[in-house]
Amino acid sequence: DIQMTQSPSSLSASVGDRVTITCRASQSITTYLNWYQQKPGKAPNLLIHGTSYLQSGVPLRFSGGSVSGTNFTLTISSLQPEDFVTYYCQQTFTTPGTFGQGTKVEVK
Amino acid sequence: QVQLQESGPGLVKPSETLSLTCTVSGGSISSSYWSWIRQPPGKGLECIGHIYYRGSTNYNPSLKSRATISVDTSKNQLSLELSSVTAADTAVYYCARYSSDWYSYYFDDWGQGTLVTVSS
Repeated sequence: DIQMTQSPSSLSASVGDRVTITCRASQSITTYLNWYQQKPGKAPNLLIHGTSYLQSGVPLRFSGGSVSGTNFTLTISSLQPEDFVTYYCQQTFTTPGTFGQGTKVEVK
Repeated sequence: QVQLQESGPGLVKPSETLSLTCTVSGGSISSSYWSWIRQPPGKGLECIGHIYYRGSTNYNPSLKSRATISVDTSKNQLSLELSSVTAADTAVYYCARYSSDWYSYYFDDWGQGTLVTVSS
C-alpha cells in the first residue's frame, strides 16, 4: 500500500496569509495526486487533480505542485475566510487510492 | 456535473449487512467509473472501491472481501453492500464519480453523504 503523509496536521494562519500544505507519498506516484477541501458537515470538494490542474470553478488562489514524484504541495496564496477548513491529499497511482490524514487550517 | 444522492438505513446491527444506494441524476451512469468512500466521525477518508458501469470492480483490500459494489443501469443507480459490520464501520458513506484524464484519476462529483451507525 502507498502511504500518504500530510504535514502539518493543523496550522494557524490569518486572512491574507500564504500557506503551503505538504503531502509525501511512500513511493513514486508520478502525477497521480489530488487535493480536496472539506467543510464541516459537507462532502469533500475537488480542488486540484493531476498534481497541478485546477478544477473548474476553483479560485486561482489555490495551486498545486510537486518537488518530485513523492513530494507534493498545495498552496493558498491569500487565505480567505472560507478557506479555514480541512484539506486532504489523495493518490490514485494505485487502486483504489489512499488519502492523507488531513490538514486543518485554523484562524490564528 | 452530475448529482448523486445516497439512501439507506441509518442504523445497522452488528454482524448484519449494510446496504446503501446512490442515485445518479443529470447524467448517465453508463459513462464513467463510480465509487464509494467513507469517513468515520471526526476522522479521515477511506476509499471503499470503484465500479465501471459494465461491472468491473476494485475494492480496498483492508475490507477483507466484505464489500460488494454493483450498478443498475436501468435505474441509474449504484449500490454498496458491506457484510459482517462492526462498530468500526460507523461512518458517513459517500458515493462519487471517479473521473480521469492523462494525469490522474479523481472524484469530481460527490453525494452529500449518509451517516450509518452500527449499534445494537
